[in-house]
Amino acid sequence: AIQMTQSPSSLSASVGDRVTITCRASQDIRNDLSWYQQRPGRAPKLLIYAASILQSGVTPRFSGSGSDTTYTLTISRLQPEDSATYYCLQDYDYPSIFGQGTKLEIK
Amino acid sequence: QVQLQESGPGLVKPSETLSLTCTVSGGSVNSNSYYWSWIRQPPGKGLEWIGYVHYSGATKYNPSLSSRLTISIDTSKNWFSLRLTSVTTADTAIYYCARAYRSTTNCPLDFWGQGILVTVSS
Repeated sequence: AIQMTQSPSSLSASVGDRVTITCRASQDIRNDLSWYQQRPGRAPKLLIYAASILQSGVTPRFSGSGSDTTYTLTISRLQPEDSATYYCLQDYDYPSIFGQGTKLEIK
Repeated sequence: QVQLQESGPGLVKPSETLSLTCTVSGGSVNSNSYYWSWIRQPPGKGLEWIGYVHYSGATKYNPSLSSRLTISIDTSKNWFSLRLTSVTTADTAIYYCARAYRSTTNCPLDFWGQGILVTVSS
């Protein structure tokens, strides 16, 4: 199975900052990667799919990039509501595998 | 707007069978465009992909669960279900159902249920 390594596991940033979260796959996953936001007590929400396509209705402060084995989620102009845990998910090959998650705290 | 809602018992005894249903409203499960999926999350931990069912009845399971797992679909009732046998405390988790959209690129999970906590305990 493809392994996904997500980093960092947690980070703290201030309102207005820009942060980047990275997922590394154990092999080329051909951009078959999506990003999710999970606020406490809530179901995950799709932010980005196909590595860089913004899901309808999601603020463009979120962006995704990457290729081959390395993918990044960037959040610009951080807002208090961005406080959440973020997960990547590869579905290039089954089983689909989530990254371990990145907990973002807004100072 | 499609909505998904999980239902089933919140408490299951060890060695018994966990059964959940996901009812879909605002859309049809009878479509080639989607995989109907299950994901779980142990309390305080990360997400684990369980598997999916297509309207045709085709399935794909996580190998870590496949010997105990059945995911099925009822297109007449517009729901799909999960059955996990011989449960242990390690199966305690929030179980989410979700729709995976078969786009031209990948298969993102674009709509999710609110989740249901299932506790395995005697």
